[in-house]
This record gives sequence, C-alpha cells and structure tokens, in this order.
Amino acid sequence: DVKVTQSSRYLVKRTGEKVFLECVQDMDHENMFWYRQDPGLGLRLIYFSYDVKMKEKGDIPEGYSVSREKKERFSLILESASTNQTSMYLCASSGPGQSYEQYFGPGTRLTVT
Amino acid sequence: RKEVEQDPGPFNVPEGATVAFNCTYSNSASQSFFWYRQDCRKEPKLLMSVYSSGNEDGRFTAQLNRASQYISLLIRDSKLSDSATYLCVVTRRSNDYKLSFGAGTTVTVRA
Repeated sequence: DVKVTQSSRYLVKRTGEKVFLECVQDMDHENMFWYRQDPGLGLRLIYFSYDVKMKEKGDIPEGYSVSREKKERFSLILESASTNQTSMYLCASSGPGQSYEQYFGPGTRLTVT
Repeated sequence: RKEVEQDPGPFNVPEGATVAFNCTYSNSASQSFFWYRQDCRKEPKLLMSVYSSGNEDGRFTAQLNRASQYISLLIRDSKLSDSATYLCVVTRRSNDYKLSFGAGTTVTVRA
C-alpha cells in the first residue's frame, strides 16, 4: 500500500525558531512536493524535487528551503519561523513517466506563536 | 487571477440527491485534469481523472470543456460518505509534474 509519512501531525514553534518538517515515501517515487494549505487559498506549492539533490522553487518559496539527500526523504526547513507561516503543510510524491497522481502525507499543522 | 477557481459551496443536499459543480482554469496549456477528494482533517486523495470525452466512475461523472476551460463533477444518488471537499486539479503545462489546485468545493450530504 502506498505510504507517505510526515514527522509530526501537530507542531507549535516560537517566532524565530528553525523548524524541520520531514517527509518519507516508500513508493520509490522520483518526484516529491511540499505544499501549504490555507482556507480559501487551496494548496500552494512551496518546493518541488524531481531527483535526489535536485530542487525547484514553487509558487511561494520565500522563507523556506528544502533538502533531498535520499530518494525517499524530502525535508522542508523554515530557517526563522514567522507567524505568517502558521499553516497546514502537506508533502506529496508522484511516480515516473506520465503519472501525475500525487500521493499525500497526513499533513503537519504548524502553529508559530 | 487564480489558476483554478471553484465555488466554495457548501452544497447541502439530502441523501439520494444529485449534486453538480464546476471549476474553471485559466491556463490554456493545461493538459491533464483531475478531481481530488479531501475529507475533513485528512489529506487529499485522487478521486478520478477527467478525460476530454467525459468519464464515469460509478456514481461520479466528470466532464471537460476545453473551449470554455471548465471541468465539472456530478454525483448521483448522494451518500452520507460523499460529504467532503472536492478539489479541482490541473497540470500546468505538458509534461510538467506540477499541479495547480483549486481551493475546493464543500459538499455536505444530510440524512
């Protein structure tokens, strides 16, 4: 069964802290994505990786960075958390070829106070 | 202008009713189209792909109108378990794995 896991379901951090969100997939997928989801705005792409050590900025990369050292793991880093980064963060992966279906993890609800 | 626009609803319908809703997309280069379903406090999951000729999956029917750049979803004989938010999703351009998501249409089916 397809599985994408995220390191935490709920996280509370203080302004200025460095935050790591981790995502692991067990489907040997090349493509991995980080989104944030906010009411009324839908899912917005933060970063995308199409291979190990490869990354591409999405629509809203400011304030975020990513790391993909292994194929199965894609990390999102908030270098200095701010209150406007309070959101639901969703990781997804998709397979090779013309496979656009993305499989999502359960999400991390991050609150920055 | 948002790439994908949806009526947020909510659509409140009784069990057994038919409910239909659309979404519009702005990028004429979009090649592939999908409906995802998201239950409350859960992750999105693929419901169905949308093909040019229209397609059915059980009680669900999806249509694509490329000329007018809209996609529709119709649910027949609604069940309580159909209560969810339905996300309209399109690819950004040919051979691009990145997707654009609508904000979702909420459907609530009541007993």
